[in-house]
This record gives sequence, structure tokens and C-alpha cells, in this order.
Amino acid sequence: GQQLNQSPQSMFIQEGEDVSMNCTSSSIFNTWLWYKQDPGEGPVLLIALYKAGELTSNGRLTAQFGITRKDSFLNISASIPSDVGIYFCAGQRNNDMRFGAGTRLTVKP
Amino acid sequence: EAQVTQNPRYLITVTGKKLTVTCSQNMNHEYMSWYRQDPGLGLRQIYYSMNVEVTDKGDVPEGYKVSRKEKRNFPLILESPSPNQTSLYFCASSPTRVSKETQYFGPGTRLLVL
Repeated sequence: GQQLNQSPQSMFIQEGEDVSMNCTSSSIFNTWLWYKQDPGEGPVLLIALYKAGELTSNGRLTAQFGITRKDSFLNISASIPSDVGIYFCAGQRNNDMRFGAGTRLTVKP
Repeated sequence: EAQVTQNPRYLITVTGKKLTVTCSQNMNHEYMSWYRQDPGLGLRQIYYSMNVEVTDKGDVPEGYKVSRKEKRNFPLILESPSPNQTSLYFCASSPTRVSKETQYFGPGTRLLVL
């Protein structure tokens, strides 16, 4: 099955900078999810979005569910070193759940 | 502590030697699933289980088997592993499949098949 298109694949930023990543799909999803994976660990849910157009924040993280239901973005403001990791988007529709390939974030102090 | 556990965390084996990766959750979740994670491909679902004795194929089920005899356990079986099954495997669980609750992931099992 087709996975989601997530970009960028990797980012190298300076501490304090803002970060933006996004996910697109040719299919409509009912739920969009954003996960973070630390080295040696499983993905942990950061934000869940349930309605088209919904904008949700979790601390320095903000994510939006696209109006078309085919895309979503995640912003991280004022990045810090512990933001390092791989960020995955996921789209869910009934029994179907798809993941993006991930965005690897490196934050330089 | 609510968690999903997997064993072993690391495994090196040879082609054709049957192996089992165990997964257990202590949250009384109905839904459990297995994923493999490969560079550039993200997470792909192998098998999932909606409840005890109910399992179904995900996107990449070939070469794998699962069973769900008890609610808490969902082992992944590779009857005859091949090198293309070298990957990082994650087990996950959630209260129900279409619930809005989060899906909890285990810590991962890194498998190398020689």
C-alpha cells in the first residue's frame, strides 16, 4: 500500500530556530497523527488531529489537519537540543493506517 | 506502569532458522499490531489483531505469522527468516482499532538475518 509523502527527509538547524515539516497523500484520511522517535525507542504520539482544518498545539509544537484531508503539517518553534529525533506523520482511515518515511531532525547547540 | 514490551531487543540469526519475537501489553488493549521500519520507508504494518483469536494481514505480511491466544500477547513468528527480513520491528497496542486513543509502541526489536 502507498505510504504518505513526508518532507523534508532531514533537517539540520540551529538551536532556537523554528522547524516545519509536512505530509501529503493522494488519499483522504479521517485522522492525522504526528509521532516522535528517539534513538533506540518506539514512536511516541505528539499530536492527534481529528477534523479537517483543525489546528492543535502541544507546547512548542503546532500541527494542522489540512482542509482537503489529504495533508498535514507540524511546526516546532524555538527548537532545543532534545527535539532531536525522527518525526513521523501518520494518516488513519477506518482500519487503514499509513506512515510517512520520517523527518530526521538535528539541532545544533 | 502502562507499557508494551518486546523480546528480544536485538537478534542475529541465520537464514531459515525459525524465530519468535514476543510482544506483551499490560493495558488490557484489544488492538495490537506489528510494524517493520526500514530506512526511507517509514513504518509498514505486517499484521494486526482486533481482539483475541482475530488477526488480519497488514501491508507486508509475507514471511510472517502471528497468533493472539491471549489479550495481552501478540507474538510475531518468522518460520524461515530471510535476509530481506532484516529490519527494526515494532509492536503496538491501542484500546480499540478505530478509537481516538493513542497507539502505544514497544521499544523495538532489531533483527539481522545472515
